Amino acid sequence: EAQVTQNPRYLITVTGKKLTVTCSQNMNHEYMSWYRQDPGLGLRQIYYSMNVEVTDKGDVPEGYKVSRKEKRNFPLILESPSPNQTSLYFCASSLSGSRYEQYFGPGTRLTVT
Amino acid sequence: AQKVTQAQTEISVVEKEDVTLDCVYETRDTTYYLFWYKQPPSGELVFLIRRNSFDEQNEISGRYSWNFQKSTSSFNFTITASQVVDSAVYFCALSEAGGAQKLVFGQGTRLTINP
Repeated sequence: EAQVTQNPRYLITVTGKKLTVTCSQNMNHEYMSWYRQDPGLGLRQIYYSMNVEVTDKGDVPEGYKVSRKEKRNFPLILESPSPNQTSLYFCASSLSGSRYEQYFGPGTRLTVT
Repeated sequence: AQKVTQAQTEISVVEKEDVTLDCVYETRDTTYYLFWYKQPPSGELVFLIRRNSFDEQNEISGRYSWNFQKSTSSFNFTITASQVVDSAVYFCALSEAGGAQKLVFGQGTRLTINP
């Protein structure tokens, strides 16, 4: 089944404790992206990747890191999480670039206390 | 800069009614792409449709139809004979061919279908 998977689905952590949210897709898509969804602010892009070893900032990259060492994986790293990073995070992938429909993972609900 | 406006924050209708969700967009690009996504109560984002700026043909898929009008920069979504399972938040989104590789989403419309 073609899908985007994210882990963990739910995470409660404390300020400053490094964490990684994994994202993997099995559709051989070149493009992958991370979004966060917040009430009243909607969905905003954090980082995206056009292909292996090619990443770029989205609208809200501060406090996040990403890497794309393999085509299928695009982990999101929070090196020192803060409460304002409490959010619902979505990973997405598409065939090539944002002009194609993006397929989203199930979401990761992160709470930073 | 690209922008998507969904003026209807919440809509509530009774089952079997038709309902239209409005989407107005702004972009300077002549080539762009429009999308609709559905977010049911379970939280995932489900792709519904993609439309490029050169294709103004309306589309119908079962009870769903989409009306794209470049003259008014609108890409509206109609559900005919609504059902309770249509209850969700619906997002309209835009990406530009020449811009940054991102989807810009509207704020979403929460649609509630009452039995």
